[in-house]
Amino acid sequence: EDQVTQSPEALRLQEGESSSLNCSYTVSGLRGLFWYRQDPGKGPEFLFTLYSAGEEKEKERLKATLTKKESFLHITAPKPEDSATYLCAVQALETGANNLFFGTGTRLTVIP
Amino acid sequence: EADIYQTPRYLVIGTGKKITLECSQTMGHDKMYWYQQDPGMELHLIHYSYGVNSTEKGDLSSESTVSRIRTEHFPLTLESARPSHTSQYLCASTPILAGGRETQYFGPGTRLLVL
Repeated sequence: EDQVTQSPEALRLQEGESSSLNCSYTVSGLRGLFWYRQDPGKGPEFLFTLYSAGEEKEKERLKATLTKKESFLHITAPKPEDSATYLCAVQALETGANNLFFGTGTRLTVIP
Repeated sequence: EADIYQTPRYLVIGTGKKITLECSQTMGHDKMYWYQQDPGMELHLIHYSYGVNSTEKGDLSSESTVSRIRTEHFPLTLESARPSHTSQYLCASTPILAGGRETQYFGPGTRLLVL
């Protein structure tokens, strides 16, 4: 069964304290893995797409990496404005609109 | 940067009322989606469309209906709202790319409360 698991559910960091969020997935075949940021009461904001194991993408303090079983979102020296829920989604190889699976997210709080 | 809009942003309505949630995108994307999201839960696909006059139900059973008469417009309608419909509704769109790879861009969402 295709599924996506994110950990931890919640993470509190001091400003400047680097850490990583995990997204583990099981799909019959991976077409792409997506990271989104979601602020309370708003829609998810696209961050990165990763397509193959070994691929890395960076944007400001965020860096996403991908292996055959999981993806990490590394946050370097976070700031309070990085506080949000980070969602991971996996697109499976099978065709059709039902081939995108979302995790429940990691709620990140960065304390000044 | 994605240009996808949803109205209203917030809606409080009584049981039995008919409501329409609006979604528009200005990017010319062929594929559009409606998701339902409850606090702390994953997004669930309720409807999708691959283009004009194409609509399908997603994996989450929903009493809502959708239409796609124009590429840019994908409204969702609830004929008779119930408290169980209380949720956040998210609209998304994506272009059709070679290889089936697609990135979904989301609107700001509509938070619905049915009393």
